Amino acid sequence: GENVEQHPSTLSVQEGDSAVIKCTYSDSASNYFPWYKQELGKRPQLIIDIRSNVGEKKDQRIAVTLNKTAKHFSLHITETQPEDSAVFFCAASIGNTGNQFYFGTGTSLTVIP
Amino acid sequence: GAVVSQHPSWVICKSGTSVKIECRSLDFQATTMFWYRQFPKQSLMLMATSNEGSKATYEQGVEKDKFLINHASLTLSTLTVTSAHPEDSSFYICSARPRQTPQPQHFGDGTRLSIL
Repeated sequence: GENVEQHPSTLSVQEGDSAVIKCTYSDSASNYFPWYKQELGKRPQLIIDIRSNVGEKKDQRIAVTLNKTAKHFSLHITETQPEDSAVFFCAASIGNTGNQFYFGTGTSLTVIP
Repeated sequence: GAVVSQHPSWVICKSGTSVKIECRSLDFQATTMFWYRQFPKQSLMLMATSNEGSKATYEQGVEKDKFLINHASLTLSTLTVTSAHPEDSSFYICSARPRQTPQPQHFGDGTRLSIL
């Protein structure tokens, strides 16, 4: 099955700096890559996603890049704010029907005011 | 839109009790729902895929007789933890995928299960 690795496991940045989280996947058939943000004890919330036919997607301060050849994708958060502090999970899914998600191990992001 | 309701949010019960958790898609039909387990400070581990009107597909290592899944309608899936023991204590989260494809999964608020 699919194996998703995520780095780093913890990340601390100063407010206003950028944060980058990287994920790699093993199955070249994966073609949908969502990113979720989870605050303590709450549900994961979709923040951005990218499909395999696109190399980059941006939504305000958040961007995701995908390198299909290298099988890795990254989340970029610019101008970080304290409220960005949370755990972020990447995931990979095979098939356009949005089948099972295989999650990365998570990155705990702390934005220091 | 795309709201998923999960109930109960927190359960504390004695060892040996069976616990049922409900997952409902409130404003869309979900042919597929997913059940995850999450330990503190760890990732979401997929337990099973629940398909409306058919048997659930369990991930390797998940006991199907221990974790009973029923997906009787397009808006409801249930997970029953049978004869729960302390090691079953965890955070259980469901997600649902709308019928229209492709679509992301939408998560419920999770159920914190504590077995004494």
